[in-house]
Amino acid sequence: GQQVMQIPQYQHVQEGEDFTTYCNSSTTLSNIQWYKQRPGGHPVFLIQLVKSGEVKKQKRLTFQFGEAKKNSSLHITATQTTDVGTYFCQGAQKLVFGQGTRLTINP
Amino acid sequence: DSGVTQTPKHLITATGQRVTLRCSPRSGDLSVYWYQQSLDQGLQFLIQYYNGEERAKGNILERFSAQQFPDLHSELNLSSLELGDSALYFCASSVRPGNTEAFFGQGTRLTVV
Repeated sequence: GQQVMQIPQYQHVQEGEDFTTYCNSSTTLSNIQWYKQRPGGHPVFLIQLVKSGEVKKQKRLTFQFGEAKKNSSLHITATQTTDVGTYFCQGAQKLVFGQGTRLTINP
Repeated sequence: DSGVTQTPKHLITATGQRVTLRCSPRSGDLSVYWYQQSLDQGLQFLIQYYNGEERAKGNILERFSAQQFPDLHSELNLSSLELGDSALYFCASSVRPGNTEAFFGQGTRLTVV
């Protein structure tokens, strides 16, 4: 069945460093969604990517959808402590989520 | 506030028991999804309903069942509970089925003792 793999599973950075998480699918995705879950919170929708090669920015966050629509990335520039949390990608017919990347930040 | 309401917030029960988790979707949303999140784990998709009908099934155990009622609220029934069923159960809703923005509730934390 469709699988969405996310790497890395954990990432610890110093505040101010950049951070990137990658999402890879075994099949072509019609679109992909990204969510953030703060510690103790619930997932919150960040963005949806639909087009091949699409790039979207939200302040310090940059989201990319691969040309083949099988992979995606989320890049955070100059991390802040408010960026702490787990970032999930989701992109399959049955709303299957990747395992998530847990970001921790050393202030 | 996402607009999705889940009750109860916390539930402690014994092994072998049965519980019902409730979800009220965001106003106007026809699709409801249930997810299980164990400690430090990802979101495991359980089941999806759209306008009262089961739409998709994930890794849902036979001991678990769900339904969506005419008023669009949904219930997840967990029976013959085991210690391993202890987890955070999230409900999410969206306007339409498929890959689209979904709004999550605060979750129900189930502890089986």
